[in-house]
Amino acid sequence: AQSVAQPEDQVNVAEGNPLTVKCTYSVSGNPYLFWYVQYPNRGLQFLLKYITGDNLVKGSYGFEAEFNKSQTSFHLKKPSALVSDSALYFCAVRDDTGGFKTIFGAGTRLFVKA
Amino acid sequence: DVKVTQSSRYLVKRTGEKVFLECVQDMDHENMFWYRQDPGLGLRLIYFSYDVKMKEKGDIPEGYSVSREKKERFSLILESASTNQTSMYLCASNMAGEAETQYFGPGTRLLVL
Repeated sequence: AQSVAQPEDQVNVAEGNPLTVKCTYSVSGNPYLFWYVQYPNRGLQFLLKYITGDNLVKGSYGFEAEFNKSQTSFHLKKPSALVSDSALYFCAVRDDTGGFKTIFGAGTRLFVKA
Repeated sequence: DVKVTQSSRYLVKRTGEKVFLECVQDMDHENMFWYRQDPGLGLRLIYFSYDVKMKEKGDIPEGYSVSREKKERFSLILESASTNQTSMYLCASNMAGEAETQYFGPGTRLLVL
């Protein structure tokens, strides 16, 4: 069965510092991995995804994520955090075995302090 | 730009009422989804539709039904609302394909009294 874990409910970082939001996953086949962001009172917005190929994926707003197959992880990173990055971040996974479901993590709230 | 709209941003209903939540997408997407979002639980799939009049149950379909009479419109129905259905409801759509990005509506925050 597919599953996604976001081990941190909340991440606090100072503006200008690098940030990491962690995600680990479990799937039967090969994973398709996604990061979405939710700003207050908004729906989810797509940030980036990994399908195949280069393990480092670059996305919107300066975010990137690294796929690590051996550790089954897909951590979201940004070299220099902005206050405006404060939001709720969701990791999601789907596999290539033909099912229709994408499984979402519980979410990690990111606070960037000025 | 893909646009997914939901009929209401906020709704207040009473226990036992029948509730309709509507979702419309303008990009001719085959797939449409209804999720509920609760703190600490992330998004849980209620129902999925891959074509007009076609539907699949998600992880938590109990107490809900759906209707997809037109490709662009996917409705979620709470047959008899209960207080444990108080939640944020998110609609999403995407093209057919395993790795396709989902596009989300702004959400409907439903309070059942």
